[in-house]
Amino acid sequence: EVQLVESGGGLVQPGGSLRLSCAASGFTIRSYWMHWVRQAPGKGLVWVSRISNDGSSTSYADSVKGRFTISRDNAKNTMYLQMNRLRAGDTAVYYCAREGSDWYVDLWGQGTLVTVSS
Amino acid sequence: DIQMTQSPSSLSASVGDRVTITCRASQSISNYLNWYQQKPGKAPKLLIYAASSLQSGVPSRFSGSGSGTDFTLTISSLQPEDFATYYCQQSYNTLWTFGQGTKVEIK
Repeated sequence: EVQLVESGGGLVQPGGSLRLSCAASGFTIRSYWMHWVRQAPGKGLVWVSRISNDGSSTSYADSVKGRFTISRDNAKNTMYLQMNRLRAGDTAVYYCAREGSDWYVDLWGQGTLVTVSS
Repeated sequence: DIQMTQSPSSLSASVGDRVTITCRASQSISNYLNWYQQKPGKAPKLLIYAASSLQSGVPSRFSGSGSGTDFTLTISSLQPEDFATYYCQQSYNTLWTFGQGTKVEIK
């Protein structure tokens, strides 16, 4: 089955760090650009970050630039999001997503909840 | 950043109604506009890509139109399973952005 499975979410104190993982199965991620999208409780979707298929190009939303780092290990068929200096405003469900051939998300993970609170 | 503004933020409609949701970009984005449907507790689902192309497996009652700055998503005859929140999303530049969402509720 073609799917993305996120892990690594949880409760973390403000200023802390967390690393999210996104494991792909049923396809090889080396052929795809990949993204992270988040959704705060009861709020809308917010694009977070993007990485090229070979990892050479990355982009970030202004709200996370300098604090979050996206990476990938194509050999492990897995993408990551390292989140540092976390704030309460980073509390959200984080979705990993696959970019289709015409610049849209054609496959989403089920999401992992990150809660930043003391 | 390119801002995406959807209207309305919510609407109430009945089964069988024709529903139209609009999305406006803060600058021209050509046809780099996608629409997603999200149900509570679930990941979003792609409906329309490149402004007007129907994703495989999506019912034909969904359609999209527009280019430049103004776009619409139309549901020709609302079905019970269509009650959800809909988001537009631009992929014109490297920094993608979503609209704030339109919640479609049962009247």
